[in-house]
Amino acid sequence: SQQGEEDPQALSIQEGENATMNCSYKTSINNLQWYRQNSGRGLVHLILIRSNEREKHSGRLRVTLDTSKKSSSLLITASRAADTASYFCATDGKKTSYDKVIFGPGTSLSVIP
Amino acid sequence: DAGVTQSPTHLIKTRGQQVTLRCSPKSGHDTVSWYQQALGQGPQFIFQYYEEEERQRGNFPDRFSGHQFPNYSSELNVNALLLGDSALYLCASSLYSAGSYNEQFFGPGTRLTVL
Repeated sequence: SQQGEEDPQALSIQEGENATMNCSYKTSINNLQWYRQNSGRGLVHLILIRSNEREKHSGRLRVTLDTSKKSSSLLITASRAADTASYFCATDGKKTSYDKVIFGPGTSLSVIP
Repeated sequence: DAGVTQSPTHLIKTRGQQVTLRCSPKSGHDTVSWYQQALGQGPQFIFQYYEEEERQRGNFPDRFSGHQFPNYSSELNVNALLLGDSALYLCASSLYSAGSYNEQFFGPGTRLTVL
């Protein structure tokens, strides 16, 4: 079964508002990453948070990780129309340093100008 | 510095045919991973190649095979195509370093349509 599950499946907000997406996973992880994908194109890496970190910031992005609840959230502040995309969380396990990366089904974000 | 490149961009095949997709990794990278992404779904891990060998494999049948060349480029082969193989196929490259996270860089993908 899939490791990561994003919530909500779809989100529609007005430009300038904040967008929050959540991700839950099932087994212990090394790292959790968030990716963005525009219109079925390649994935763009946004941010990585390690299992021993609780919060990370990158520009307008804020990611939190709660390993006790096996969940993460991605907050995009002051959203822009250009943020319209699908967002995926991805986890890699603890077996090896090259353990396969497993993606969730994604959240589709629409930012209305 | 070229990123990850994939060819072709789009491909249309019929059921039962065979297809080969190609990937050139980012300069300096030695590891290539392949993913299948069906419409509206997240990418699913197919397999990973390192030092010309398959190092990890996801839950895909033997119809899916691959190869990595000495220059680190890679091919994904799919035999006996099914309608359900229609998807975006993504290649990702990374530089392996034991004991640390190896960030993956994704290519733009190949859109395969099976009729």
